[in-house]
Amino acid sequence: DAGVIQSPRHEVTEMGQEVTLRCKPISGHNSLFWYRQTMMRGLELLIYFNNNVPIDDSGMPEDRFSAKMPNASFSTLKIQPSEPRDSAVYFCASSLYGGVSTGELFFGEGSRLTVL
Amino acid sequence: GESVGLHLPTLSVQEGDNSIINCAYSNSASDYFIWYKQESGKGPQFIIDIRSNMDKRQGQRVTVLLNKTVKHLSLQIAATQPGDSAVYFCAEIFTGGGNKLTFGTGTQLKVEL
Repeated sequence: DAGVIQSPRHEVTEMGQEVTLRCKPISGHNSLFWYRQTMMRGLELLIYFNNNVPIDDSGMPEDRFSAKMPNASFSTLKIQPSEPRDSAVYFCASSLYGGVSTGELFFGEGSRLTVL
Repeated sequence: GESVGLHLPTLSVQEGDNSIINCAYSNSASDYFIWYKQESGKGPQFIIDIRSNMDKRQGQRVTVLLNKTVKHLSLQIAATQPGDSAVYFCAEIFTGGGNKLTFGTGTQLKVEL
């Protein structure tokens, strides 16, 4: 079975450009999470969705960040305009909310973003 | 000025020895705890979980201990192998507040041959 699929794996862009990161969760999972990982802050939860509905976006840094989940099989995280401090690895994860192991998140390989 | 990154605690063990990785969690209301392993260049991977009504749970070569009194969690790895080298994170959830998983800062485990 395919795991969580993220794209792109690597992106290098210039400050001010729009960045869109994509995620396809595991089929049948009803929760989707976006995390950011940096050396400074570790793993931070940005936003999560249950059944395609955003539940908690308190971790989204500022208005430059937005996330959508138009259907159960696709989510995007957009940064506009991007800044050098947004450089990080962005992880998408999915899980089966309400299942026995609701804390078992399945992570993608991550999207490494570098903003110059 | 110079930025300062997280200084991950590092645990170095000899191959074949047992490893104990510790974690202090923050929310006394958290009722579900999980350990994740992250290898270089990959996303975190679930290892084992424990609910707050338990104080010990065993898996294959791993044991998680929970001490709610002092908000402490530990992961024990038996007969540590080179493939166990990774960063280990504990995570907590307060299930009454949804399924928001909060991760700790992580511990780097290095297995020496």
